[in-house]
Amino acid sequence: GQNIDQPTEMTATEGAIVQINCTYQTSGFNGLFWYQQHAGEAPTFLSYNVLDGLEEKGRFSSFLSRSKGYSYLLLKELQMKDSASYLCAAFTGGGNKLTFGTGTQLKVEL
Amino acid sequence: DTEVTQTPKHLVMGMTNKKSLKCEQHMGHRAMYWYKQKAKKPPELMFVYSYEKLSINESVPSRFSPECPNSSLLNLHLHALQPEDSALYLCASSQQGSLSGANVLTFGAGSRLTVL
Repeated sequence: GQNIDQPTEMTATEGAIVQINCTYQTSGFNGLFWYQQHAGEAPTFLSYNVLDGLEEKGRFSSFLSRSKGYSYLLLKELQMKDSASYLCAAFTGGGNKLTFGTGTQLKVEL
Repeated sequence: DTEVTQTPKHLVMGMTNKKSLKCEQHMGHRAMYWYKQKAKKPPELMFVYSYEKLSINESVPSRFSPECPNSSLLNLHLHALQPEDSALYLCASSQQGSLSGANVLTFGAGSRLTVL
């Protein structure tokens, strides 16, 4: 089966940096994705990693270690609008299967 | 056009009704997906279509019946649902054939279903 775990909730301060961790155990792993979802809205794509290392996209960076089954999303210069649920998801197999983790609810405070 | 459009946005139905959710994309994507999302939970994969053929069914009850009439459209037919089926139903699409085997999914805004 697939097991993808994240912390349930995190709180951070506006302007700060926050790291959201994700650990996974899957078969046929092809890549790790990060999505942001505001309440009542569709998930929107943030970043993805196929190979080990860091991918940087503006204020967002994502890191992957395939050997450790570990990823993190780094958010810099936090803004109030970054308060949302952050979902890591593993792409597995040859059949376009994207399985989401448990999700982390991030609250950004003044 | 970089959107996935879902209709209706809201649907209320009784347990004996038959209704359908619709999804449309014009990005040339050849993979389309249905996910179910309950409140404060992550999306759960239901079905995947690849080149208009059903490639993944995550053991979904037969009261949910997917259909992919062409490469731009995806339907989810609903019949004899239960109150516990009330949820947000998300449609997504992606390209096929990535060398890495991983494709970015673009999601629609969802159809919020309430079963009475």
